[in-house]
Amino acid sequence: DTGVSQDPRHKITKRGQNVTFRCDPISEHNRLYWYRQTLGQGPEFLTYFQNEAQLEKSRLLSDRFSAERPKGSFSTLEIQRTEQGDSAMYLCASSAGRTSQETQYFGPGTRLLVL
Amino acid sequence: DAKTTQPTSMDCAEGRAANLPCNHSTISGNEYVYWYRQIHSQGPQYIIHGLKNNETNEMASLIITEDRKSSTLILPHATLRDTAVYYCIVRVALNQAGTALIFGKGTTLSVSS
Repeated sequence: DTGVSQDPRHKITKRGQNVTFRCDPISEHNRLYWYRQTLGQGPEFLTYFQNEAQLEKSRLLSDRFSAERPKGSFSTLEIQRTEQGDSAMYLCASSAGRTSQETQYFGPGTRLLVL
Repeated sequence: DAKTTQPTSMDCAEGRAANLPCNHSTISGNEYVYWYRQIHSQGPQYIIHGLKNNETNEMASLIITEDRKSSTLILPHATLRDTAVYYCIVRVALNQAGTALIFGKGTTLSVSS
């Protein structure tokens, strides 16, 4: 257990529905990252927060995706109008300290299945 | 694109050392090499990182060549629980601090009794 928690662990939804995932980072960590992992592939970077500010978004993050970290603590990732291609494991990671050698600690992930 | 190259798979007998190689020929002078592993259906687990000196912790040792173009992760006494996908990562700097981990497909290590 790294101290990063994610909820829910599993989500099954129908195409077109909205889903929201939550990530609680390690309490003193100011950076929070979201990644997506599809079957057989390594995780891919989606977006990044430093405190409450969203500083970077990958081109993978389409307009249907939105992420927030309102008080610089927990974060939510929402997917609107889900598509079957959104089926994946969504991973959250947090870190602190000097950027040059920060260590990101991952949560257990939320596995999404879109039917 | 991943900035590292790893073998797709490796086998190791339980109790023996597992040596996992990684090539990172385009690494720049101030970039660290990180190793993570992912056991089936879990989030990636941090193992170790290094810049140019060899590093050791309770999980593994990291040997980096003098030219820094390759490295080897060593699990000194592999157990069945070490069966996982091992990722060698050179990070990408993001705007305004922070870094993204660029994962390749990693090496699937299978430890057998």
